[in-house]
Amino acid sequence: DTAVSQTPKYLVTQMGNDKSIKCEQNLGHDTMYWYKQDSKKFLKIMFSYNNKELIINETVPNRFSPKSPDKAHLNLHINSLELGDSAVYFCASSQDFRAYSYEQYFGPGTRLTVT
Amino acid sequence: AQSVTQLDSQVPVFEEAPVELRCNYSSSVSVYLFWYVQYPNQGLQLLLKYLSGSTLVKGINGFEAEFNKSQTSFHLRKPSVHISDTAEYFCAVTYSGGYQKVTFGIGTKLQVIP
Repeated sequence: DTAVSQTPKYLVTQMGNDKSIKCEQNLGHDTMYWYKQDSKKFLKIMFSYNNKELIINETVPNRFSPKSPDKAHLNLHINSLELGDSAVYFCASSQDFRAYSYEQYFGPGTRLTVT
Repeated sequence: AQSVTQLDSQVPVFEEAPVELRCNYSSSVSVYLFWYVQYPNQGLQLLLKYLSGSTLVKGINGFEAEFNKSQTSFHLRKPSVHISDTAEYFCAVTYSGGYQKVTFGIGTKLQVIP
């Protein structure tokens, strides 16, 4: 059983398009995250949701809009894609955002390439 | 503000040799420290974590790390590496008193040479 899954695994699209990435976790966790990993492997948090509520919103362009229909799902929609959006996007989950000792569980990543 | 410094971006090592991957952190409050591993084309997975208690922490795949508060370090070690250990290793920190927002280091690429 896959704990944290993402679709699609690869996404190639042109500048200006709109695309979505979906994430689901079956761990029963309350908190989910989106991270962006650039070409140098630097990992930066974008958003965090706890039980469908936004709790962390880093300095991310408003072209990025997360949506959490329920606590097991966190989707990422990106409008007007730009070349600089090319990266690997990881979804993650943890048991409770208030417990800083809990580890995070990561999905396999979505490699987005904008041409 | 908390930060994590991984001093080496790449570490080449021969198979069966020992390895140490260095990590230093800065924080004015109590911290919780993690090492994650990312195998090629995969997501990150937890190797080990330090929360409190014994400063020597053992993790999966024969890795261990030592928390040194005076030197603000959390170096990762393995006495004998295997080809399958080739991966990117990330040190990470969270701190008490805030929401769980993890700060990751830039990663260290461990390249095991046969």
